[in-house]
Amino acid sequence: GAVVSQHPSWVICKSGTSVKIECRSLDFQATTMFWYRQFPKQSLMLMATSNEGSKATYEQGVEKDKFLINHASLTLSTLTVTSAHPEDSSFYICSAEGQGARYEQYFGPGTRLTVT
Amino acid sequence: AQSVTQPDIHITVSEGASLELRCNYSYGATPYLFWYVQSPGQGLQLLLKYFSGDTLVQGIKGFEAEFKRSQSSFNLRKPSVHWSDAAEYFCAVGAGGTASKLTFGTGTRLQVTL
Repeated sequence: GAVVSQHPSWVICKSGTSVKIECRSLDFQATTMFWYRQFPKQSLMLMATSNEGSKATYEQGVEKDKFLINHASLTLSTLTVTSAHPEDSSFYICSAEGQGARYEQYFGPGTRLTVT
Repeated sequence: AQSVTQPDIHITVSEGASLELRCNYSYGATPYLFWYVQSPGQGLQLLLKYFSGDTLVQGIKGFEAEFKRSQSSFNLRKPSVHWSDAAEYFCAVGAGGTASKLTFGTGTRLQVTL
């Protein structure tokens, strides 16, 4: 089946710094990618939807200047958490959807971000 | 806006016993419904989905789910649970439209005792 990878799987950064998380579709072209945030023992909350070559669409309440999303190619999307704060510590998950395959989302394993 | 409720936060069953995980949704039109399983270190895996047609849906790993419009439910079932089924299970609803946006429930953690 389709595989989505995320890198890194775990990252610790200091407050005020920025961190980039990569999401790659390994064996298919992902025209749409989604970024979710998951708090411990809670559900996945959609942060934004990104389409290759265009600006991401952010969900209400998500700061677009803080969570920069770039979907520069059909196999790569990146999420950059800028000026990270401890409250940004969370589990970030991406998913990817192929062209013409609505709702066929394949999820990455997630990235654990800890901001100290 | 759509929403999903999974009333059971944690369920424990014995290996070989039957399983039913509850899911209730709120959505004005016919929803797209999904069940995903999340294991530690792995991405969410789609177990099954309902878009239309037969209300009893068969999925992978021996799971099935039944869409009941009158009850706004989409419960997941398995006749005989295996120890490897221990994981977190999420029900999700898709709202249609131009983007395949999913709204997830809070999840049910399944523990399997031997």
